[in-house]
Amino acid sequence: DGGITQSPKYLFRKEGQNVTLSCEQNLNHDAMYWYRQDPGQGLRLIYYSQIVNDFQKGDIAEGYSVSREKKESFPLTVTSAQKNPTAFYLCASSIPRQGSNQPQHFGDGTRLSIL
Amino acid sequence: GEDVEQSLFLSVREGDSSVINCTYTDSSSTYLYWYKQEPGAGLQLLTYIFSNMDMKQDQRLTVLLNKKDKHLSLRIADTQTGDSAIYFCAESILGYSTLTFGKGTMLLVSP
Repeated sequence: DGGITQSPKYLFRKEGQNVTLSCEQNLNHDAMYWYRQDPGQGLRLIYYSQIVNDFQKGDIAEGYSVSREKKESFPLTVTSAQKNPTAFYLCASSIPRQGSNQPQHFGDGTRLSIL
Repeated sequence: GEDVEQSLFLSVREGDSSVINCTYTDSSSTYLYWYKQEPGAGLQLLTYIFSNMDMKQDQRLTVLLNKKDKHLSLRIADTQTGDSAIYFCAESILGYSTLTFGKGTMLLVSP
């Protein structure tokens, strides 16, 4: 079945450590997105990529980094510069199509906590 | 900039109708989406509507759009306990793939 796979489901980070969250999709979508969800805050956009080897900052990119070397994969690294990384992280993908907006489809999320 | 607002909480009894409301900011061409999130899970797309439509119906779900007031609603008929979840309204502007989300409405359905 086609879908978006995020791993791991739960992740723990020590102080000063970088961690990488995985997002893989087999929907043949060009665009991929990373969101952060905090209780009562809704979803906030971290980074997005419309095409391989290109990505743009979202509203809260500081302390995060991404890469887009393959169409299927869009990993997110939470760096030690992110001082409050505890949150639920959601990856999404869509088909960007000129003249219409295709809906985004989401993975099941990764919950990141500080040790 | 874009902004999407929703009421935070709604409680209904099983079998009643639920109406979740959302307001959005000015956009000449806008897509509006409803997503459902169950505890510990990702977001599930329920339905979406383009701003040149007034209504869209899909089984138990009815979306109403009032463009003048920039008001969107999601009506769930015959609400079931399995409908208990957080419902997010989201907006995108034509030609841009990014979404702006509201903070979500928690729907609690009691037996």
